[in-house]
Amino acid sequence: DAKTTQPPSMDCAEGRAANLPCNHSTISGNEYVYWYRQIHSQGPQYIIHGLKNNETNEMASLIITEDRKSSTLILPHATLRDTAVYYCIALTQGGSEKLVFGKGTKLTVNP
Amino acid sequence: DAGVIQSPRHEVTEMGQEVTLRCKPISGHDYLFWYRQTMMRGLELLIYFNNNVPIDDSGMPEDRFSAKMPNASFSTLKIQPSEPRDSAVYFCASTLGGWDTEAFFGQGTRLTVV
Repeated sequence: DAKTTQPPSMDCAEGRAANLPCNHSTISGNEYVYWYRQIHSQGPQYIIHGLKNNETNEMASLIITEDRKSSTLILPHATLRDTAVYYCIALTQGGSEKLVFGKGTKLTVNP
Repeated sequence: DAGVIQSPRHEVTEMGQEVTLRCKPISGHDYLFWYRQTMMRGLELLIYFNNNVPIDDSGMPEDRFSAKMPNASFSTLKIQPSEPRDSAVYFCASTLGGWDTEAFFGQGTRLTVV
């Protein structure tokens, strides 16, 4: 059973914030939420990860709800180059779980 | 570092031929992963190595597939004999420390078996 669920597709206007949701209501307390993205014809690229505190880096922000049942990846000012498939993955640090990719969300940034 | 380097970028071969895909991980990384991506099945983990030792090959689809890592800077994925259903994009990735650290992926090898 997949630990995370994501909408299959989303659209966003260029320059606006893209908010990508992920549901993970069954993850355990020591499972982190990781985000990767895959731009067409390229390998997946790491974006960000977090446990329960909100995280921000140069690429994106990750907002995790207090109950940890869901999270949102935020691209503050989406560009056309952000068009990609975004994957939300739950992983235990130091554990034996594998980096398994689901279907992700296809984000299309429109001009 | 130039990142994870895969070769060739594209490979077209005839059914029944042997195919060898190559990967050079990022220097110093101790984990190496091989994935396959198709439209139907998405990204699938085939096998992974830790310190050049194969740890889990449960994702390798058949005995026709084999992977080796003779040293820390080189790995191969071989398909012998190849079949049209092996057509896919094959990705190699490496990490420092395991699954929970940032995985760096190569650009992939697009394999077409005709």
